[in-house]
Amino acid sequence: QSVLTQPPSASGTPGQRVAISCSGSSSDIGGKTISWYQQLPGTAPKLLIYSNDHRPSGVPDRFSGSKSGTSASLAISGLQSEDEADYYCAAWDDSLNGWVFGGGTKLTVL
Amino acid sequence: EVQLVESGGGLVQPGESLTLSCAATGFTFSSNAMTWVRQAPGKGLEWVSGISAGGGSTFYADSVKGRFTISRDNSKTTLYLQMNSLRAEDTAVYYCTRSRYSNAWDYFDYWGQGTLVTVSS
Repeated sequence: QSVLTQPPSASGTPGQRVAISCSGSSSDIGGKTISWYQQLPGTAPKLLIYSNDHRPSGVPDRFSGSKSGTSASLAISGLQSEDEADYYCAAWDDSLNGWVFGGGTKLTVL
Repeated sequence: EVQLVESGGGLVQPGESLTLSCAATGFTFSSNAMTWVRQAPGKGLEWVSGISAGGGSTFYADSVKGRFTISRDNSKTTLYLQMNSLRAEDTAVYYCTRSRYSNAWDYFDYWGQGTLVTVSS
């Protein structure tokens, strides 16, 4: 069981906007910044969002992140077929002295 | 270009040992913390261990504490993971990741392609 809670699946049609939630506690999300990782089928994860709402260069602005209290959210607007992937949230946990990940959300583009 | 190339994975029996390596190129290795993250077949990501840029601080998940040892050789720009007393539940793809800054709690901005470790009799 993961420390951070994500819905196991999400879906949308091309062009739609979808949001993936990530819920934690005061020792992880509540006190630290969150990052999001995208894992395309059969590939290694890739950084998608860092410091709650920052995009690395090369990541389309269709992807956005936000955080409020002990929860965070990843939003994808203008959904495209190539966005079909697993998405993971992660944060450092001060009480565990280590990183914690969400269980991952499998995004399906219908 | 940042490159992280893992090696050393393979099939081992329960109770045996294995050492993973991660050769890093394309950046000043001694300036960044490094981390191992694993993914069991069909499962999600699990943080395993992290080490600060200078190697003075190390961190471990409870599931591997006392069995795994993370280390780095900044002169060889290589990260290691010594894994002892391996169990079936350690079967996973092990990813080497670079932290954006020098602390193990900094986010992971680059990932290697992973190396598969299979623990089975």
